[in-house]
Amino acid sequence: GNSVTQMEGPVTLSEEAFLTINCTYTATGYPSLFWYVQYPGEGLQLLLKATKADDKGSNKGFEATYRKETTSFHLEKGSVQVSDSAVYFCALTTGTASKLTFGTGTRLQVTL
Amino acid sequence: IAGITQAPTSQILAAGRRMTLRCTQDMRHNAMYWYRQDLGLGLRLIHYSNTAGTTGKGEVPDGYSVSRANTDDFPLTLASAVPSQTSVYFCASSTLQGTEAFFGQGTRLTVV
Repeated sequence: GNSVTQMEGPVTLSEEAFLTINCTYTATGYPSLFWYVQYPGEGLQLLLKATKADDKGSNKGFEATYRKETTSFHLEKGSVQVSDSAVYFCALTTGTASKLTFGTGTRLQVTL
Repeated sequence: IAGITQAPTSQILAAGRRMTLRCTQDMRHNAMYWYRQDLGLGLRLIHYSNTAGTTGKGEVPDGYSVSRANTDDFPLTLASAVPSQTSVYFCASSTLQGTEAFFGQGTRLTVV
């Protein structure tokens, strides 16, 4: 079956620090990979995605590269802001978009 | 504003009571999904529907039922609520071919 493992949180960073949130996966077939973000009190929003090996997804300064050889999809941002404080979920699907398998989520707290 | 509407926003429910969580989308998406979000477990798929008139079981379907009478609505019913069903419930939708899922704002349910 499919599974996603992401680093435990919470992650606390100072503003302008570099962010990495690790995500690895196991999947049958060829998955599409996603990062979703959940801001306090809100639902999930798609942050970025990659649908095949070596693709790089990017949005709002965040990036993640689909690494088939290491089955990874680590999320990075060069300089975080207080407004990036949220819970980040790594996810995959080998079928339709909403039949997603999620990681447990990583809470990011950015302080001034 | 187009999107997914869930109701109620939150609910406290006595154990043994019946409850229906409502979900409506206006994006004409074929596929709809219900997830529950629990701390440390991420989001897990309860039930899904690929088109009106059809439904399927996800990872954690026990104690829940769904129906899909039309494209727009996908209610989730707890026939006899138990405390382990205390969770935040998210409805989502997508096209069958798409790679992005759209989520509602969630329903926080507490069973006491």
